[in-house]
Amino acid sequence: SYVLTQPPSVSVAPGQTARITCGGNNIGRENVHWYRQKPGQAPVLVVYEDSGRPSGIPERFSGSNSGNTATLTISRVEAGDEADFYCQVWHSSSDHLVFGGGTKLTVL
Amino acid sequence: QVLLVQSGTEVKKPGASVKVSCKASGYTFTGHHIYWVRQAPGQGLEWVGWINPYSRDTNYAQRFQGRVTLTRDTSISTAYMELSRLTYDDAAVYYCAREAVAGGNFFDYWGQGTLVTVSS
Repeated sequence: SYVLTQPPSVSVAPGQTARITCGGNNIGRENVHWYRQKPGQAPVLVVYEDSGRPSGIPERFSGSNSGNTATLTISRVEAGDEADFYCQVWHSSSDHLVFGGGTKLTVL
Repeated sequence: QVLLVQSGTEVKKPGASVKVSCKASGYTFTGHHIYWVRQAPGQGLEWVGWINPYSRDTNYAQRFQGRVTLTRDTSISTAYMELSRLTYDDAAVYYCAREAVAGGNFFDYWGQGTLVTVSS
């Protein structure tokens, strides 16, 4: 089965840039989507198809995907960005949807 | 506006079945696949399966094959997930989510989640 690997945690000071990675075999060939989840809430889509940004999501959120790593970048991090972030792909070879294990973003 | 409203908390015994509903409003129900995702306490997200409300086609994650059934009732714009032979490992919050665009396999709206507790 296809595995997506995320760091368990990322810490960043306010105003700095956070980068959350999602590793997978040839993930660059897949469409990667990212969700933010705050405690007790349902996930929210923040990036779709590698780098698309849904309406209502600040421009501070961006994504990229190449080779074996996809990256979610959050610029000018704010305290309110603290959350768990999950990457997700539809792995066509196995016909399965896969989530990464999640990364807890802490704003110092 | 688009809303997905799920049924309430369930408490079930091991070996029992649970059926969770997801009522959609604010869009054409048959125009978007509904996916089901679960999250065990303190854990990550796990895909359960999807249903095409128009055709009734389904696709289940391999680990749930034979235990999960996804159905829908288009007359009331509601999707259902039934999970049988529950074990303690099935205790989780179960979410329904709307596929944003056909074939996109990503989700723009989520239900509020349904807590399923398994306890003897």
